[in-house]
Amino acid sequence: EVQLVESGGRLVKTGESLRLSCATSGFTFGDYTINWVRQAPGKGLEWVSSIGSGSSYIYYADSVRGRFTVSRDNAKNSLYLQMNSLRAEDTAIYYCARDGTFTGVTAFDFWGQGTLVTVSS
Amino acid sequence: QSALTQPASVSGSPGQSVTISCTGTSSDVGSYELVSWYQQHPGKVPKLIIYDVIQRPSGVSNRFSGSKSGNTASLTISGLQAEDEADYYCCSFAGSRILWVFGGGTMLTVL
Repeated sequence: EVQLVESGGRLVKTGESLRLSCATSGFTFGDYTINWVRQAPGKGLEWVSSIGSGSSYIYYADSVRGRFTVSRDNAKNSLYLQMNSLRAEDTAIYYCARDGTFTGVTAFDFWGQGTLVTVSS
Repeated sequence: QSALTQPASVSGSPGQSVTISCTGTSSDVGSYELVSWYQQHPGKVPKLIIYDVIQRPSGVSNRFSGSKSGNTASLTISGLQAEDEADYYCCSFAGSRILWVFGGGTMLTVL
């Protein structure tokens, strides 16, 4: 069974840093691009970042570029999101989501349950 | 990159069909056959229901279908059921800098 489990979300103050993790199981992690997608309270989904299977490519949304850094450890089947200079508008549930292109599904085919990040002054 | 445009809400009665539109630009929806749709019930995780414009993942009801014309993609739900009441989001590949863009979401109410 494919599983993605996020952790690390908590209440932080404006300007502080936070590192999110996403532990995976049930599939060969190193074969897949993994993404971060966030959802502000009561709002829609927003793509945040993507990292290729061997970290061969990394992309960010304009709203986080320069402040967030995505990384992965294929030996630990884990994804990370280092978030610096946090702002109130970064408050959201952060989901890690698998890109299923390796199996012919070019979309976010499996999602974690999300971890809540709250940024407050 | 702006979000794709979806109607804020749609509604229909049980057994009817509804269509949700998703309008982008020639840089995203219009350029790639990589539109997907997600269903999200309140407090739940998004679920993939359509990918590559028209494809359904295994286990998704054939009452859900997708299409695209120009810069606008559409999701049609036929034979509406109470369990279809949820938020629906479209998503499109958007190129080599901003990879993905989502729509603002549409709340479906089953009357």
